[in-house]
Amino acid sequence: GESVGLHLPTLSVQEGDNSIINCAYSNSASDYFIWYKQESGKGPQFIIDIRSNMDKRQGQRVTVLLNKTVKHLSLQIAATQPGDSAVYFCAEGLSGYSTLTFGKGTMLLVSP
Amino acid sequence: DAGVTQSPTHLIKTRGQQVTLRCSPKSGHDTVSWYQQALGQGPQFIFQYYEEEERQRGNFPDRFSGHQFPNYSSELNVNALLLGDSALYLCASSRLEDEQFFGPGTRLTVL
Repeated sequence: GESVGLHLPTLSVQEGDNSIINCAYSNSASDYFIWYKQESGKGPQFIIDIRSNMDKRQGQRVTVLLNKTVKHLSLQIAATQPGDSAVYFCAEGLSGYSTLTFGKGTMLLVSP
Repeated sequence: DAGVTQSPTHLIKTRGQQVTLRCSPKSGHDTVSWYQQALGQGPQFIFQYYEEEERQRGNFPDRFSGHQFPNYSSELNVNALLLGDSALYLCASSRLEDEQFFGPGTRLTVL
């Protein structure tokens, strides 16, 4: 399928490394945040979310960190695998409103 | 259980034409949101439908309209197509404010 990754920041890692993808969000009123993974030719796939009353949340091999002071979100992927290669988007939203505002995305390339 | 499905997969139109894109939500979902994703960009919210009405709308002109049917499926219509409307159009379904599940998208090319 067509690439969604043209002109995106790119993070290249080796298989087995830990990856950290960063995102600056725009609205200080946003109170929930989501990370999505988008593979070429597919729609975004939910990875993990976090509410503004938390600063860290862990999933399977993934951790999201939220720093509301500087409006920064990060996604940590442990033991990165070639199947993790994709474009990663952060999205922000407001409780009571389902609208999601997406960031520009980061392409993660994992070499075997 | 099928996830979110969209049709068609690809579509080519010329400037000034009209297009209709279709979305079937995931089973059990009653809310459909539409997004436009230009190449190399993140998705941008167009609008959301719930109970057959437009519930929220993003910053898109009136040329973009939609509909939701009693079975929760939805259509996105774009009139008077412009070259800049070329994009991947994504449909996401959810139970109102719960997690949104995205479909594979429809790639629209306007020539």
